[in-house]
Amino acid sequence: DGGITQSPKYLFRKEGQNVTLSCEQNLNHDAMYWYRQDPGQGLRLIYYSQIVNDFQKGDIAEGYSVSREKKESFPLTVTSAQKNPTAFYLCASRGAGGTGELFFGEGSRLTVL
Amino acid sequence: GEDVEQSLFLSVREGDSSVINCTYTDSSSTYLYWYKQEPGAGLQLLTYIFSNMDMKQDQRLTVLLNKKDKHLSLRIADTQTGDSAIYFCAGIGGSGGSYIPTFGRGTSLIVHP
Repeated sequence: DGGITQSPKYLFRKEGQNVTLSCEQNLNHDAMYWYRQDPGQGLRLIYYSQIVNDFQKGDIAEGYSVSREKKESFPLTVTSAQKNPTAFYLCASRGAGGTGELFFGEGSRLTVL
Repeated sequence: GEDVEQSLFLSVREGDSSVINCTYTDSSSTYLYWYKQEPGAGLQLLTYIFSNMDMKQDQRLTVLLNKKDKHLSLRIADTQTGDSAIYFCAGIGGSGGSYIPTFGRGTSLIVHP
């Protein structure tokens, strides 16, 4: 079945460590997005990519990095520069045309100890 | 870009109707969406409405769009305990084909037996 897969589901990190969250989709979508979700704050856009080998900063990109070397993959690295990284991270993709809806992964919960 | 506002909480009794409201700023959104998020999971598209429509009905769900007031609502008839979740209103704005999805902060719907 087509879909979008995030891993790991849960991740614990010590302060000062970088960590990479995986996002893979087999929907043949060009656009992919990373959101951060904190209680009561909704979804905030970290980075997005409209096409392979290209990506743009969102509203809260500081302390994060991404790559888009393959169409199906859009990994997010949470660096030690991110001051408050504990959050729920959601990856999404969107195809061209149609209703423009986003398809979401199940999310990754990162906890910094 | 798009700015989307919605109330944070709604509590209803099982069997009653629920109405979740949303306001948005960017009138250029072609589609407006309602997503549902269950605890610890990603978002799933619940329904959408095309910007030239006033109303859309899909089983227990009714979406009303008031373009003049930039107001969107989601009515859930005969609300069940399984409807308890966070509901997000979203639009897609942006210029030059950037198509950046913007989400409201989410309304937590609590259904009492």
